[in-house]
Amino acid sequence: QVQLHESGPGLVKPSETLSLTCTVSGGSINPFHWNWIRQSPGKALEWIGFVSYIGNTHYNPSLQSRVTMSADVSKNQVSLSLTSVTAADTAVYYCAKWCDDCRAFNYWGQGFLVTVSS
Amino acid sequence: EIVLTQSPGTLSLSPGERATLSCRASQSISSTFLAWYQQKPGQAPRLLIYGASSRAAGIPDRFSGSGSGTDFTLSVTRLEPEDSAVYYCQQYDESVLTFGQGTKVEIK
Repeated sequence: QVQLHESGPGLVKPSETLSLTCTVSGGSINPFHWNWIRQSPGKALEWIGFVSYIGNTHYNPSLQSRVTMSADVSKNQVSLSLTSVTAADTAVYYCAKWCDDCRAFNYWGQGFLVTVSS
Repeated sequence: EIVLTQSPGTLSLSPGERATLSCRASQSISSTFLAWYQQKPGQAPRLLIYGASSRAAGIPDRFSGSGSGTDFTLSVTRLEPEDSAVYYCQQYDESVLTFGQGTKVEIK
């Protein structure tokens, strides 16, 4: 059973960079696509983008200028970096595995709350 | 960007009833890329339906999806208290993936 676990600082100051890691267990990140999705308090889900196991990326145009994702096959991890954060970036951040056959997210992490505040 | 509009915003039903949730796309999408998720408070979303009508592994047959083009429906029959959740539709048009704003299902 694939399990995903997000980790990182839970508090980030405005204008700084949010960095999160998703550690995958119970399976390899190869050869899949790994996504980051966020959910602001009481709001709907927002797709941030994906990174493949070989580092190919595709980002939501609305966040593209501030987002970088990467994959580390040796550590079985994927990472998210979001620069110049504001209070609007406060959210629960989810890592999710894309199912190529079903064209949907079939495995999710439990989510990690990041608060942007000074 | 394709916008998904879900209705109603909230559905309040009794156990044993049927819930019908709508997801309307701002332009026609392939059924292949339409999925439904269930999210309970404090939990990550769970995949229910993919390809508009295929149930994900372990999902009971009380859940079914249908639709094509711009109009899609999630039906939940014989509602149980555990079905109380927010339900989201999702699409991917090779450019940007979007979610609907969600429908909250309350069980009286």
